[in-house]
Amino acid sequence: AQKITQTQPGMFVQEKEAVTLDCTYDTSDPSYGLFWYKQPSSGEMIFLIYQGSYDQQNATEGRYSLNFQKARKSANLVISASQLGDSAMYFCAIPSGAGSYQLTFGKGTKLSVIP
Amino acid sequence: DSGVTQTPKHLITATGQRVTLRCSPRSGDLSVYWYQQSLDQGLQFLIQYYNGEERAKGNILERFSAQQFPDLHSELNLSSLELGDSALYFCASSAITGTGYSYGYTFGSGTRLTVV
Repeated sequence: AQKITQTQPGMFVQEKEAVTLDCTYDTSDPSYGLFWYKQPSSGEMIFLIYQGSYDQQNATEGRYSLNFQKARKSANLVISASQLGDSAMYFCAIPSGAGSYQLTFGKGTKLSVIP
Repeated sequence: DSGVTQTPKHLITATGQRVTLRCSPRSGDLSVYWYQQSLDQGLQFLIQYYNGEERAKGNILERFSAQQFPDLHSELNLSSLELGDSALYFCASSAITGTGYSYGYTFGSGTRLTVV
């Protein structure tokens, strides 16, 4: 079964600095992908970035990038130039279940951006 | 607006009651997933429907059931409610690609259920 581990329950970052949120995964699927979602205090789940295991280059979406290291089974999210609006919970997730693709989530990291 | 619509946004009900949560997926998406987010269990997959048929079941209680209608909207029915059912319930939809791997799960804004 798929498993996601996010070891940082909470993190602080200074505004305009970069921050890395850790995510390690365990899967037996030969082909898989990793998702990152943001959940602000209002509660909605916002898709940030996705990378497939066979993608050659690390995914980038604006200020978000994935530091994907298959050998270490890690898919860390890097947020550059942090903004106050980045304060939120961040979840890493991996699809699981052949033919189903339901997501298995980590417990999340609460990021607080300090002015 | 993510394109996935969930109603109602908030629901307060008493123990023992039954409620129905509704989800309209993003246009063109055939798959609907239901998730429960609680403080102690985190985000957990409940059930998936694909084009009207149940595709996968997760940690869904027998008191809970769901269905997907011909117009692809889905309903999650929660009955004999207990205090522990209080949670944020999300619906998500996705497009299944030709390779069989979905991408870009889109979540609705959730229904916050409070059982008193």
